[in-house]
Amino acid sequence: AQSVTQLGSHVSVSEGALVLLRCNYSSSVPPYLFWYVQYPNQGLQLLLKYTSAATLVKGINGFEAEFKKSETSFHLTKPSAHMSDAAEYFCAVIQMDSSYKLIFGSGTRLLVRP
Amino acid sequence: KAGVTQTPRYLIKTRGQQVTLSCSPISGHRSVSWYQQTPGQGLQFLFEYFSETQRNKGNFPGRFSGRQFSNSRSEMNVSTLELGDSALYLCASSAELNSPLHFGNGTRLTVT
Repeated sequence: AQSVTQLGSHVSVSEGALVLLRCNYSSSVPPYLFWYVQYPNQGLQLLLKYTSAATLVKGINGFEAEFKKSETSFHLTKPSAHMSDAAEYFCAVIQMDSSYKLIFGSGTRLLVRP
Repeated sequence: KAGVTQTPRYLIKTRGQQVTLSCSPISGHRSVSWYQQTPGQGLQFLFEYFSETQRNKGNFPGRFSGRQFSNSRSEMNVSTLELGDSALYLCASSAELNSPLHFGNGTRLTVT
């Protein structure tokens, strides 16, 4: 069965600093991986997706993620944090069966200090 | 294109009551999924429907049920509410298998 692990329930960075949110996956087949962001009192918004076309995936709001098969990782990065990036971020993998089911990590709350 | 719409946004119910939540997917999307989000358990899959058929169900008791209509709109029902059912219930729709899920803003259910 597929699964994802997000290291660090909270990450705090200064405005302008590099953002690195970690995600490791477990999958016996090439995975479909996603990063979602959730702002307070809202649903989840898709940041980016990996579908095996390219290992470096660019998303919205300046975020990108690199798929590393050797490390089973799909870490999310952004070169320069902005106050508006403060939110909770979820890594997810598709459960490979006949239906559509996402398995989510436990989430990482990003805090951005002025 | 309008996004996924969930109604109502907020709901307060008493233990033992039942509740119905509604979800309208993005036009053209035939897959609708439901997730429960709580601080303790995170995001958990409830069920997924495609063309009015339930294709998958998560590990929830039978009190949780759902259905999908011919226009792809979906409802989920929780009967005999318990305090632990207090959560944010998120609906998501997708155009096809393995394409991204698009989420609504959720229904915040509080059981007192």
